[in-house]
Amino acid sequence: SAVISQKPSRDICQRGTSLTIQCQVDSQVTMMFWYRQQPGQSLTLIATANQGSEATYESGFVIDKFPISRPNLTFSTLTVSNMSPEDSSIYLCSVSPHAGGYGYTFGSGTRLTVV
Amino acid sequence: QQPVQSPQAVILREGEDAVINCSSSKALYSVHWYRQKHGEAPVFLMILLKGGEQKGHEKISASFNEKKQQSSLYLTASQLSYSGTYFCGTDTGTASKLTFGTGTRLQVTL
Repeated sequence: SAVISQKPSRDICQRGTSLTIQCQVDSQVTMMFWYRQQPGQSLTLIATANQGSEATYESGFVIDKFPISRPNLTFSTLTVSNMSPEDSSIYLCSVSPHAGGYGYTFGSGTRLTVV
Repeated sequence: QQPVQSPQAVILREGEDAVINCSSSKALYSVHWYRQKHGEAPVFLMILLKGGEQKGHEKISASFNEKKQQSSLYLTASQLSYSGTYFCGTDTGTASKLTFGTGTRLQVTL
């Protein structure tokens, strides 16, 4: 399965600022996904990052707040913009399996605290 | 709409069995199961595909009732290492994205 390097692993940010989270995959993958997980809760899909086109956002998430880049098949970034304390959460990237592979692989997550 | 899992939490003694259920309101192409330990990323356990194919963990089994849009994960002879939160992830076949269930917290004790 793919190996994902996600960084930063954690950060404490001031409200009103922005943070960019990076995910680097060790192989080319078609689809990358960005999830948010609030403490003790399930994972909520933010958007699907498509190479060469705009990301596809889920209901309740907008591009101005969570801009995503996908410059190639091994890399993606998620920016959390104009942060407020409500954005404090764990953000995870995930990739779909290669052909013949099994489940999805997740990055180690970014624990964000907004103060 | 998020799949609903039951129970929400369960405590087992080592060696006991458990069943975790996942129910969706949508027609499903596949169901995934993941385990997440505290502070770590979810780890893939098993996938069940429409039509009956299964792939995954050797010591964990699961079922998928396509008509009822339900899946169950069977943990037998539980070990301490089984502790964690279990999530089902459902795929409706559209855009290959997963919608995760509400989660089941499992604790195995001595």
